[in-house]
Amino acid sequence: AQSVTQLDSQVPVFEEAPVELRCNYSSSVSVYLFWYVQYPNQGLQLLLKYLSGSTLVESINGFEAEFNKSQTSFHLRKPSVHISDTAEYFCAVRTNAGKSTFGDGTTLTVKP
Amino acid sequence: NAGVTQTPKFQVLKTGQSMTLQCAQDMNHEYMSWYRQDPGMGLRLIHYSVGAGITDQGEVPNGYNVSRSTTEDFPLRLLSAAPSQTSVYFCASSYEGSGSDGYTFGSGTRLTVV
Repeated sequence: AQSVTQLDSQVPVFEEAPVELRCNYSSSVSVYLFWYVQYPNQGLQLLLKYLSGSTLVESINGFEAEFNKSQTSFHLRKPSVHISDTAEYFCAVRTNAGKSTFGDGTTLTVKP
Repeated sequence: NAGVTQTPKFQVLKTGQSMTLQCAQDMNHEYMSWYRQDPGMGLRLIHYSVGAGITDQGEVPNGYNVSRSTTEDFPLRLLSAAPSQTSVYFCASSYEGSGSDGYTFGSGTRLTVV
């Protein structure tokens, strides 16, 4: 079985400040790791994913996530956030069999 | 490219009524799934399908039925609606079920059962 824990349910930050959204996972089998973003009244969108290779993965809008196998973590970071980054962020793991497990989500609120 | 299309966007049902939530994708994805999203509980898997004619139960299947007669469509049926089924429902698909693909999500159906 797999589980995903997002350590912060809400993260308020000021515009242009750095942010880290924390995600820990546990699994008895190898998994792939994902971050999704959900803007208000919309579906989830894939932000980035880790499959293998370099432990640091980047998205096109400045977010990055680092896979840490020893700590079973996949934290999401951005060095300077914008108002438009306000959204809910979900960490997820997916097994080779295809089933996904999602965390409960972290609401990022960027204040001016 | 429409992606994943869900209809309706909003629905109010009375307890005991039945209805079907529609989901269609035009990306030739083999894997399709239904999730429900409730405040503070993330997404929970209801049913999923790895291809036409193949479906299986997820984490919270009770009260829901699915079928997959074509690659494109994966409808979710509520047999006898209950207030506990008030939620936002998302359909998600991926090219295959091997795990390395991320999902494409629909925009959701907000269901209220009174």
